[in-house]
Amino acid sequence: ETGVTQSPTHLIKTRGQQVTLRCSSQSGHNTVSWYQQALGQGPQFIFQYYREEENGRGNFPPRFSGLQFPNYSSELNVNALELDDSALYLCASSWHRGPNEQYFGPGTRLTVT
Amino acid sequence: DAKTTQPNSMESNEEEPVHLPCNHSTISGTDYIHWYRQLPSQGPEYVIHGLTSNVNNRMASLAIAEDRKSSTLILHRATLRDAAVYYCILRYFGNEKLTFGTGTRLTIIP
Repeated sequence: ETGVTQSPTHLIKTRGQQVTLRCSSQSGHNTVSWYQQALGQGPQFIFQYYREEENGRGNFPPRFSGLQFPNYSSELNVNALELDDSALYLCASSWHRGPNEQYFGPGTRLTVT
Repeated sequence: DAKTTQPNSMESNEEEPVHLPCNHSTISGTDYIHWYRQLPSQGPEYVIHGLTSNVNNRMASLAIAEDRKSSTLILHRATLRDAAVYYCILRYFGNEKLTFGTGTRLTIIP
């Protein structure tokens, strides 16, 4: 059974640029959630995708967008990067039934300069 | 989202049991109690969850108070690998998200 993988591991971008982060779900999972974790804080929910559609969104502006593909992998896109977007971005996969546990990837560390 | 309260930090000796408390006085009847932990430089890891009855798995035990306003995560024999931030999260059935607080930073003393 393959776990959740994310790419790239680290990324440095300049303010105003756009970035795309990628996530491959754990085998058998059909739901992907994205979280942002600033230094010293707990992860904050960005949004979730199920059946290629957004299935819930946290308090993040529209410049944070996502996609889910038929193989359940997912992308997180952030436009017009701001310095405060510097964080660890975590992807989690799960099965979309009940209060099931989410399985997290190792994250992508984004630095905006 | 119903709120949870956890101590900021705890210490425990290696090979001894650890009891991590969580208060959730505003819990509703449909809220499940989830525990995750985050080891240094890793993503969060699922530990255990329950609704009303105590739960056991290979990693830990979850003891839930009869009124469900508090719970305790029990690590039966702590190892150095258990040093992590532990998050107690309430999640109602069908809710898509996990709402993390600041958690409890557990330090294991060799």
